[in-house]
Amino acid sequence: TQLLEQSPQFLSIQEGENLTVYCNSSSVFSSLQWYRQEPGEGPVLLVTVVTGGEVKKLKRLTFQFGDARKDSSLHITAAQPGDTGLYLCAGATAGANNLFFGTGTRLTVIP
Amino acid sequence: EAGVAQSPRYKIIEKRQSVAFWCNPISGHATLYWYQQILGQGPKLLIQFQNNGVVDDSQLPKDRFSAERLKGVDSTLKIQPAKLEDSAVYLCASSLSWFGSSTDTQYFGPGTRLTVL
Repeated sequence: TQLLEQSPQFLSIQEGENLTVYCNSSSVFSSLQWYRQEPGEGPVLLVTVVTGGEVKKLKRLTFQFGDARKDSSLHITAAQPGDTGLYLCAGATAGANNLFFGTGTRLTVIP
Repeated sequence: EAGVAQSPRYKIIEKRQSVAFWCNPISGHATLYWYQQILGQGPKLLIQFQNNGVVDDSQLPKDRFSAERLKGVDSTLKIQPAKLEDSAVYLCASSLSWFGSSTDTQYFGPGTRLTVL
């Protein structure tokens, strides 16, 4: 069973601060996705990374896939209250056509 | 474009009762997923359909859970009988491609929050 551990589990910061969320595993993934989930809603896809060392930017969010494809990070610059939510990473192993979700990081950005 | 629809949004039952959830995916999406999300955890895949065929149900507790997608469109997930540990949000998702690649974008519904007393 692939286990994706995310850290920190909870994060509360002031508006304007920077933060990094980590997603780690002992397994190698062929692709990794990041989702954001708001209360009472389903997760929404933010990004998919497929190449080791890949970096993708989405406005103030920067996603990186580790060189060995076992880990990933999400960095948010100048966090805003609208960034509040549960951030989930999800990985797929080679040959698999479904995802294993991480444990989640619950982010609260205080105005 | 309409999103993934799920009903009911909330359900409270007593243990040993039965319950059913309904999902209508985005029109034209071939692959449908049911996930269980226990409070404080990430979603766990229960079953994946491609059209009306089951691709993966390895984590579905088959002694009490069942799911069907008879016409390759909408789907139902049933629990019979329910246990206390089944309390969770049940999420339905769909993706476009017929082969259900792991890099496909999955579109999630709002979920059904089940409480088993």
